[in-house]
Amino acid sequence: DVKVTQSSRYLVKRTGEKVFLECVQDMDHENMFWYRQDPGLGLRLIYFSYDVKMKEKGDIPEGYSVSREKKERFSLILESASTNQTSMYLCASSPPGGGYNEQFFGPGTRLTVL
Amino acid sequence: AQSVSQHNHHVILSEAASLELGCNYSYGGTVNLFWYVQYPGQHLQLLLKYFSGDPLVKGIKGFEAEFIKSKFSFNLRKPSVQWSDTAEYFCAVNARSNTGKLIFGQGTTLQVKP
Repeated sequence: DVKVTQSSRYLVKRTGEKVFLECVQDMDHENMFWYRQDPGLGLRLIYFSYDVKMKEKGDIPEGYSVSREKKERFSLILESASTNQTSMYLCASSPPGGGYNEQFFGPGTRLTVL
Repeated sequence: AQSVSQHNHHVILSEAASLELGCNYSYGGTVNLFWYVQYPGQHLQLLLKYFSGDPLVKGIKGFEAEFIKSKFSFNLRKPSVQWSDTAEYFCAVNARSNTGKLIFGQGTTLQVKP
């Protein structure tokens, strides 16, 4: 079974804090993704990575950065958390092959910024 | 810009009723199409996908979807829903010119009454 794990299910942070969200996959997938999920807006892609140390901006990268030092781990960083970053964050991974492959999702981290 | 639109945001059905959830996308090129489902408290998971061939595709748990190229649509159907189908459903599109990037619709919450 493919497994994508995220470091926390729930997180509460204060405005201005630096926040790290960690994602680990155990299937040796090349591609990894970070989304945020908001009611009525669906999933929106923040960043993705198709290889170690490679990253590409998604549709809403502002206020976020990412790090991928090892193939299995993809971190999302909120440099200075703001209240409008309160959301559910989903990590996903997929094998190479462009968009022909299913993405496998983690359980999500519900982040609240006070 | 590419976009995906799901017309029904919240659907309430009784058990044994038939289901059709609409999905339209805006992209003129060749696409890969997906439906994902998120059951309460569970990970987002793949329901079915379409790449090419027979435009009527079957997925898990009795779901099917039909790709109509002329209408840019990929509607999800199930002849008879069960209480266990209560979930949020997301349509997603990959433009084959991209990497594995998916564009998701806003999601449809389905509530099935026993």
